Parts: sequence; C-alpha cells; structure tokens
Amino acid sequence: KAGVTQTPRYLIKTRGQQVTLSCSPISGHRSVSWYQQTPGQGLQFLFEYFSETQRNKGNFPGRFSGRQFSNSRSEMNVSTLELGDSALYLCASSPTLGTGGREQYFGPGTRLTVT
Amino acid sequence: AQSVTQLDSQVPVFEEAPVELRCNYSSSVSVYLFWYVQYPNQGLQLLLKYLSGSTLVKSINGFEAEFNKSQTSFHLRKPSVHISDTAEYFCAVSATDNNDMRFGAGTRLTVKP
Repeated sequence: KAGVTQTPRYLIKTRGQQVTLSCSPISGHRSVSWYQQTPGQGLQFLFEYFSETQRNKGNFPGRFSGRQFSNSRSEMNVSTLELGDSALYLCASSPTLGTGGREQYFGPGTRLTVT
Repeated sequence: AQSVTQLDSQVPVFEEAPVELRCNYSSSVSVYLFWYVQYPNQGLQLLLKYLSGSTLVKSINGFEAEFNKSQTSFHLRKPSVHISDTAEYFCAVSATDNNDMRFGAGTRLTVKP
C-alpha cells in the first residue's frame, strides 16, 4: 500500500498570501488529521476530518481551515499568512475515527516558509 | 485533557551504549501511549504502543517501553544504540474515550561514533 502523500513538499510564500496544502491518505483510511510542527511549539493538532466532516479542532485561528473530499483526500488552507506560520505541516491518516488506540500514519510533511 | 512531558530535549550518547528517553503523562482517565520516531526530513513513524495487557512493549528494532501507571510514565529504552537510531522521538498519549492525541515536545537522540 502506498503511504500518506503530501504535496507540495516545500513551499515559500510571502506574508499576506494564502496557501493550500494537499494530503492523500492511505487507501481505505477515512480519517485525516493535520498537525503543525515548529521548533518552539512542537507538534500541535490543527483539525481532524472523517467522512468529509470536521470532527475535531485544535486551538488555531480561523485563518486555518480544511476540507475533505469524498475520496478522503484532504486540503488545508491558510489565509493571510504570517511569519509565524512557517512550519512543517504534517498530515496523518487513520482507518477509523473511533477509539481503540488507533495508530496514525504520517506523511513526510510540507515545509512552509513565509517571508 | 491529557498531556505529555518529555523530560529531556536532547540526549547525546555513544554508539553501543544504552539509552533511556523519559516520558511522563497526565490524565484523569485511562490512556493509550505511543512512541513515534522522526528521521530528518520525514514524517513520524510509530515505534511502539501500549494499549492494554503486558506493560512492557517492544519494537522490532530493539526499543522497548514500560507503562508504569503509578508513576504515570512510559520511558523508552534501548540496551545498545546504533548510529542509525539518531532521530527525534516523540511520546504521545490519547485517552481511551476520545480521539484527542497529544504529543510531547520531542527528544533529539544523537548517537555518536
């Protein structure tokens, strides 16, 4: 099975612009979660989608949004970029939404640099 | 909500020496515990996990971790490290009754020759 793929891998944007990141989960996985990873804050949960619905949301401003399509692919959008948005954005997929010690499978991430 | 504290941000160690990466968690409910590893320029990979049963869990590459409920710890150990173990290690916790997974800040393990 192919793993979680994220595109693009690297991105450079200017303050004030917007950006869209894409994540394709492992085939058959219906849950997609997004995380922001920075040296100062570590891994922070952004949101989780399951069956095209946002099921869980972290503590990020409304500039961060996402969606999931019927094929489980997910996109994350950040509007009005700020310098502090520079980070590695990780996507993780999982077969289910429920509990049970589910493992999340991570993609390689998209490195976003805001200048 | 649950939380995780990784007590060491960096751990340098010589090749073939033993290593312990410390992780403590806080939760008012039962938890599942995980260790993930991140190699440079890659995403996170699951190393091992504790769900229930035996408190000692092992990975295929020689790491092991022990769930200690009384000390709320889940320390990761390896008796003899290799250069290839150099990476960042994340401890994570999720409550058994929700989907909220929290990660620690990470421990950078550097294995020196």
